[in-house]
Amino acid sequence: GIQVEQSPPDLILQEGANSTLRCNFSDSVNNLQWFHQNPWGQLINLFYIPSGTKQNGRLSATTVATERYSLLYISSSQTTDSGVYFCAVGEAGTALIFGKGTTLSVSS
Amino acid sequence: GAVVSQHPSWVICKSGTSVKIECRSLDFQATTMFWYRQFPKQSLMLMATSNEGSKATYEQGVEKDKFLINHASLTLSTLTVTSAHPEDSSFYICSARAQGGAAEAFFGQGTRLTVV
Repeated sequence: GIQVEQSPPDLILQEGANSTLRCNFSDSVNNLQWFHQNPWGQLINLFYIPSGTKQNGRLSATTVATERYSLLYISSSQTTDSGVYFCAVGEAGTALIFGKGTTLSVSS
Repeated sequence: GAVVSQHPSWVICKSGTSVKIECRSLDFQATTMFWYRQFPKQSLMLMATSNEGSKATYEQGVEKDKFLINHASLTLSTLTVTSAHPEDSSFYICSARAQGGAAEAFFGQGTRLTVV
């Protein structure tokens, strides 16, 4: 099956810093999504980005499908950005396969 | 985005009893729904794929007789944990995609199950 690797596993930042999270996947996919899991466990959809670049406020993401990786950029980080960020990939109609996540801690 | 509602958000049950978790797609129809389990500080692991009107497909190592899945309509799938034991305590999350082959998946709020 598809393997999904996220890096780094843990990231500690000061408020205001920028960060880049990476997701590598082992096979071609037509779905890639980034999520933020809040302290209550809910998965917040950040981006649906099987290819290309998208931006939403301080967050942006880029997926290079031909090279099988995606990057999530967080700029001017805030304490509310803390939590676990997951990358998940899959084919149309099938379940998403999740990476192990990056745990982000932003301190003031 | 589309809304997937999961109920209950949390439940505590006694060992040996059964618990039913509901997953509803509120504003779209989903022929396929997915059930995941997440243990503390771990990632989401796929348990089963729920198909409307047919039997669910379970991942290797998941007991189909313990985790009963029913997908009776295009907007509702249920997961029943039968004869629950403390090791079944976990966070269960459902996911759904809209009909028509749309690829983006939407997730419910999750259910935290504690078996005492």
